[in-house]
Amino acid sequence: AQSVTQLGSHVSVSEGALVLLRCNYSSSVPPYLFWYVQYPNQGLQLLLKYTTGATLVKGINGFEAEFKKSETSFHLTKPSAHMSDAAEYFCAVSTGGFKTIFGAGTRLFVKA
Amino acid sequence: GAVVSQHPSRVICKSGTSVKIECRSLDFQATTMFWYRQFPKQSLMLMATSNEGSKATYEQGVEKDKFLINHASLTLSTLTVTSAHPEDSSFYICSASGQDRNIQYFGAGTRLSVL
Repeated sequence: AQSVTQLGSHVSVSEGALVLLRCNYSSSVPPYLFWYVQYPNQGLQLLLKYTTGATLVKGINGFEAEFKKSETSFHLTKPSAHMSDAAEYFCAVSTGGFKTIFGAGTRLFVKA
Repeated sequence: GAVVSQHPSRVICKSGTSVKIECRSLDFQATTMFWYRQFPKQSLMLMATSNEGSKATYEQGVEKDKFLINHASLTLSTLTVTSAHPEDSSFYICSASGQDRNIQYFGAGTRLSVL
């Protein structure tokens, strides 16, 4: 069975600082990994995904994530936070069963 | 590409009435559609998975007769909350996947408030 753990339900950074949101997964088969962002009262927007190939994945809005199989991690980073990055972020894993399992979410706060 | 439209974005209804939520894939054929429920400050809970032309597969604990799902075409799925009660108030989100069913595209969600 697969699972996703997001470390830290809340992360607060200053504008311009590095953003690091942590995600660890568990899967018995090669996973597809995703990061989604959700703004209040909106659906989920795909930031980036890892399927196969290059382990460093670049997404929208300057975000990127690195798939590290040995650490079963898929942490999300952005070099410089903007106020507009404040939102809820979800890490997710999907395997051949086609169900996507979501982490509990991390709320990112950006301070001016 | 891969746009999913969900309508309505917000609905307020009286207890005992039924509410229908539509989910459409606008620029691709959705082999599979998913319906999620999200409680405040929580993650998404999968309610059911539907494939075009067949009955939906409901997750454990989700009432089939309460949450009716129809996936009549490759671009449209509907969720009907029957005889809604205040405890059904929630944020409902649909998603759709095409050829690669591991990748889902999400609608904007529907905020249901039952008075």
